[in-house]
Amino acid sequence: GESVGLHLPTLSVQEGDNSIINCAYSNSASDYFIWYKQESGKGPQFIIDIRSNMDKRQGQRVTVLLNKTVKHLSLQIAATQPGDSAVYFCAENIKNYGQNFVFGPGTRLSVLP
Amino acid sequence: EPEVTQTPSHQVTQMGQEVILRCVPISNHLYFYWYRQILGQKVEFLVSFYNNEISEKSEIFDDQFSVERPDGSNFTLKIRSTKLEDSAMYFCASRDRSPLHFGNGTRLTVT
Repeated sequence: GESVGLHLPTLSVQEGDNSIINCAYSNSASDYFIWYKQESGKGPQFIIDIRSNMDKRQGQRVTVLLNKTVKHLSLQIAATQPGDSAVYFCAENIKNYGQNFVFGPGTRLSVLP
Repeated sequence: EPEVTQTPSHQVTQMGQEVILRCVPISNHLYFYWYRQILGQKVEFLVSFYNNEISEKSEIFDDQFSVERPDGSNFTLKIRSTKLEDSAMYFCASRDRSPLHFGNGTRLTVT
């Protein structure tokens, strides 16, 4: 059944350390994946995306890794900062245009001083 | 940077009343979406809209819900007769050949 929101998985990291947030996606036909960051009271904010013809993509301080064999997606954040504290969602899309994105349950990242 | 804007930021309504949530998508985007998020839970798809018609909808999007693009800039979500369980954050999103861009949401509280 649906997970209860108050039991959102939480990752606590020390400021300056690297963070790795994981996501298991559901559909082997998904061909486009996005990581979103959601701060309290705001909408999801785009971080980075990756298409299924790639297994790694890098942005500024962030890297997304895709393992299609095990349907696993990860987000790596280098040198985690207090401003990175938020809930992180992965989203998958089966068709490229005009179709819905399915969101994962989310992981709360807490950066400790 | 262009933004998706939503109004109002907070709407309180009584059970059984109609509400209209408003969104202005990013101007050159062609695909429009509504999602909702019950407090503390994940973001759930409601409906997608393209070329002036619904392209996909979820089981949540029943006959009580409707969407409209009344002019070239606005995109609205109407809930005809609100229920307590409709209380949630409602997010509008838009895209072209890009990721979804979300607004900051409307918090709907049904009492």
